[in-house]
Amino acid sequence: GQNIDQPTEMTATEGAIVQINCTYQTSGFNGLFWYQQHAGEAPTFLSYNVLDGLEEKGRFSSFLSRSKGYSYLLLKELQMKDSASYLCAVKDSNYQLIWGAGTKLIIKP
Amino acid sequence: DTEVTQTPKHLVMGMTNKKSLKCEQHMGHRAMYWYKQKAKKPPELMFVYSYEKLSINESVPSRFSPECPNSSLLNLHLHALQPEDSALYLCASSQDRGTGANVLTFGAGSRLTVL
Repeated sequence: GQNIDQPTEMTATEGAIVQINCTYQTSGFNGLFWYQQHAGEAPTFLSYNVLDGLEEKGRFSSFLSRSKGYSYLLLKELQMKDSASYLCAVKDSNYQLIWGAGTKLIIKP
Repeated sequence: DTEVTQTPKHLVMGMTNKKSLKCEQHMGHRAMYWYKQKAKKPPELMFVYSYEKLSINESVPSRFSPECPNSSLLNLHLHALQPEDSALYLCASSQDRGTGANVLTFGAGSRLTVL
């Protein structure tokens, strides 16, 4: 079967750095996405990785290792508004998005 | 215009009612999606339209009926729903399906409550 694992919940301090991990086992791989979702709102796109390595976009970076079936999302200089759920999703060989259950990130002052 | 617009934002309906959710995008995207999301769960794919043709129906009960009148509009017709159908219904669009990123742009969602 297809499976995406990410921690259920993480807590971090304002101004700090946090890394959210995602491991996946899917039938084929056509890219990995990270989305942010605030409570009661729609998911918004953060990053896309299809090749190994690090993609940096402002305070957010995403890393991919296809051989290990592993990705992480790195958030720097955390702000209170970063409190949200972070969803990892993989596009499989049929170009279907397989979603992880999401990681709820709690930022404390 | 880089938005996906969904109406209504909130909908309360009885089990015998017929209602519709509407979705509109003007980004020229040729793939449109309906997702259902329960609290603290990831989005669950229901239907995909590609070039205005239904390409994926994820074994959704027939009380949910999608319609794609044109490349910009997507509807979800609801009839004889059950209380367990209460959820956030998300519409999304992407440039295309298949190769490439084809990032999903989501609407704000329609919060449905079935009494």
